[in-house]
Order: sequence, then C-alpha cells, then structure tokens
Amino acid sequence: DAGVTQSPTHLIKTRGQHVTLRCSPISGHKSVSWYQQVLGQGPQFIFQYYEKEERGRGNFPDRFSARQFPNYSSELNVNALLLGDSALYLCASSSMGAFEQYFGPGTRLTVT
Amino acid sequence: AQSVTQLDSQVPVFEEAPVELRCNYSSSVSVYLFWYVQYPNQGLQLLLKYLSGSTLVKGINGFEAEFNKSQTSFHLRKPSVHISDTAEYFCAVSAVMDSNYQLIWGAGTKLIIKP
Repeated sequence: DAGVTQSPTHLIKTRGQHVTLRCSPISGHKSVSWYQQVLGQGPQFIFQYYEKEERGRGNFPDRFSARQFPNYSSELNVNALLLGDSALYLCASSSMGAFEQYFGPGTRLTVT
Repeated sequence: AQSVTQLDSQVPVFEEAPVELRCNYSSSVSVYLFWYVQYPNQGLQLLLKYLSGSTLVKGINGFEAEFNKSQTSFHLRKPSVHISDTAEYFCAVSAVMDSNYQLIWGAGTKLIIKP
C-alpha cells in the first residue's frame, strides 16, 4: 500500500505570492493533519480535517487555509507569503480514533 | 495547554554504546506520549507510543521508553546504537481529552553516532 504522498517535493516562491500544497492520505484513512516544521524546530500543528470538516486549527494566521476533498485528499493554501513561511510542510493521515499518525515526506517551501 | 521539552539539542555517542534521549512534558490533563524519528530529508516515523498500561514501552529498531508520571518524563533509550540510528528524534504529546489527537512537539534531539 502506498503511504502518504505530498506534492510538490520542493517549491520556491516570492514574497506576496500564493502557494497550494497537496496531500493524499493512506487508503482508508479519513483524517488529514497539516504541520509546519521550521528548520531546527519541532513541527507545529496547523489544521486537522476529518470527513471534509475542519476539526482543529493551530495558532496560524488567516493567510493559511485548507480543505479536504471527497476522496479525503487535502490541500493547504497559504496567501501573501512571508519569508517566515519558509519551512517543511508535513501532512499526516490517520484513522479517526486512532492514535498513530502516518507522515508524508513533506514539501519544502522556500520564500525569497 | 501542553508543552514538551527535549533537554538536549544534540547527543553524540559512540557506535554500540547505550543512549538516552530526554523528554519532559507539562500538562494539566492526562496525555498520550509519542516518540518519532526523522531521517535526513524524510518525513516522521513513529518509534513508539504510550497510551496506558505498562510504563515501559518497546518500539521499533530496538528503542524503548519509560513513562514516569511523577517526574512528567518519557525518556527514550537504546542499549546499543548503530550508525543507522543517526537521525533527529522528536517527543510529542496529545491530551487524552483532545478528540482530534493534536500533537504538541518538542524541538527535537539530533543523535550523532561516532564510529
């Protein structure tokens, strides 16, 4: 079975631009979470979605938004990019009610 | 709210020596505890988890951790490390009451294996 997949692998954007990151969960998993990992730090929780509904939101500005599609894949959108948004963005999937989250390889976003 | 402190940013150790990576947490409610490993340029992989029951938890790759409620610690140990254990290790907690199982993470500890 395929694991969690994320695209693109790497991305370079300019300040002020918009970016969309994509995630496909493990087959059968209905919950997707997004995390931001800045270099040298642990991941920070951004969003969790289950059955297309937002179930949790971390302390991130409204420039960050996400959605989940009927096939349980998910998109993370970031508007008006800042230099500080440069990070590894991780997607994790899980079965709701399960304690194990399975992570994708991440998308490395660089904002110049 | 919960918080996690990993006391060492880097731990150098000789190959085949034992290692302990320290993790302390703060929480006003009961928590679930996790250790994840991140190899260079890869995502995070679950090493082990404590949900309830025995305080000594065994995970993959020969790692184990002990939950100490009185000291609010969940230290990770391995009796003999290999060069392939070179990675960054993250401790994370999730509040038992949190139905979303949101993970709160430590800053990570880089395990450096010296030949």
